[in-house]
Amino acid sequence: AQSVAQPEDQVNVAEGNPLTVKCTYSVSGNPYLFWYVQYPNRGLQFLLKYITGDNLVKGSYGFEAEFNKSQTSFHLKKPSALVSDSALYFCAVRDSSYKLIFGSGTRLLVRP
Amino acid sequence: NAGVMQNPRHLVRRRGQEARLRCSPMKGHSHVYWYRQLPEEGLKFMVYLQKENIIDESGMPKERFSAEFPKEGPSILRIQQVVRGDSAAYFCASSRERAYEQYFGPGTRLTVT
Repeated sequence: AQSVAQPEDQVNVAEGNPLTVKCTYSVSGNPYLFWYVQYPNRGLQFLLKYITGDNLVKGSYGFEAEFNKSQTSFHLKKPSALVSDSALYFCAVRDSSYKLIFGSGTRLLVRP
Repeated sequence: NAGVMQNPRHLVRRRGQEARLRCSPMKGHSHVYWYRQLPEEGLKFMVYLQKENIIDESGMPKERFSAEFPKEGPSILRIQQVVRGDSAAYFCASSRERAYEQYFGPGTRLTVT
């Protein structure tokens, strides 16, 4: 069965520092991987996806993610964090058809 | 180009009442998905619908929950005889085709008192 793990409940970084939010996955077959961000009392906003191709995927708001097949990871990164990046981040994998399987979420707190 | 619309944004119901949640997909999208987010948890798939068809309801509780996506109008998620455990945020997503990326609405936060 497909599953996603986000091992960190919260990540704290200082503004201007690089950030990493971790995600590992378990799928049968080729993985379709996604990152979404959720601001307080808002819906999920799509950040980026990996379907095939380059292992480094660039997305919205300066975020990128690196697909690592051997480590079954899809970590979200940003070179320089902003206070406005503070939000809840979800990693998700899509099964062979359409269902999105979400991780439990990681709260990112960027302090000024 | 409006995104996925959901209403109401907040819904308060007493135990035993019915809750109706509405979702209008993005223009040009005919595939709708409902997810539930319990407090401090990730989203869990509930049901996948196309116009007039339920494709997969494997994530729906067997009782009290139903969903529809009629030929005209929004998709409806209906919860009968609500209980406190139904309190959650319910998100709708839509896609143009079955395997395309899903775009989410702002959610409906249901509180059962």
